[in-house]
Amino acid sequence: GDSVTQMEGPVTLSEEAFLTINCTYTATGYPSLFWYVQYPGEGLQLLLKATKADDKGSNKGFEATYRKETTSFHLEKGSVQVSDSAVYFCAWGEGTGGGNKLTFGTGTQLKVEL
Amino acid sequence: NAGVTQTPKFQVLKTGQSMTLQCAQDMNHEYMSWYRQDPGMGLRLIHYSVGAGITDQGEVPNGYNVSRSTTEDFPLRLLSAAPSQTSVYFCASSYSGGRYGYTFGSGTRLTVV
Repeated sequence: GDSVTQMEGPVTLSEEAFLTINCTYTATGYPSLFWYVQYPGEGLQLLLKATKADDKGSNKGFEATYRKETTSFHLEKGSVQVSDSAVYFCAWGEGTGGGNKLTFGTGTQLKVEL
Repeated sequence: NAGVTQTPKFQVLKTGQSMTLQCAQDMNHEYMSWYRQDPGMGLRLIHYSVGAGITDQGEVPNGYNVSRSTTEDFPLRLLSAAPSQTSVYFCASSYSGGRYGYTFGSGTRLTVV
């Protein structure tokens, strides 16, 4: 069925390291793809999105490209900071059917150390 | 600049008690949803609404009721709390639904003992 698979964490990096969090999806049609971030004790915040194939979403130094051929939406950042420590969720959503819901992955915890 | 407001932030219930989690948004969004977040399981959809007076079940609706009498409010009712309902609950709203994403509240952490 429809789903999102993202790499398990925790991912532990040193400050200024390169980050990749893998995300693949299974969906019918042409979904939009999202990355949400959750800082400790807070709700989810939209980090970036892409609404069609080959679109690149970007925000705060994070990027992800909608790859329809590989059904992937990997999150990347060239140089992470301690303040990027959080849980990152990949999700997809469609505008038709199912109440326009979002389907989430299980989340990947990122820990950035000095 | 309120966005999506959830109350309370924390709640402890005894098994069998009932309660209502409140959710209000001030962005005139038609789409609203309730999710629960459990360790290792991501977020799962409980109930959703596509407008005032219209609600439907999501992935895990058992033990929960919702109603949508106004565009702004979307309360979630726990009918008879069970320990399995211990979770963090998030309300979310959207102008355009799943196509462009949702705005989330800060969550309610519920413990059922």
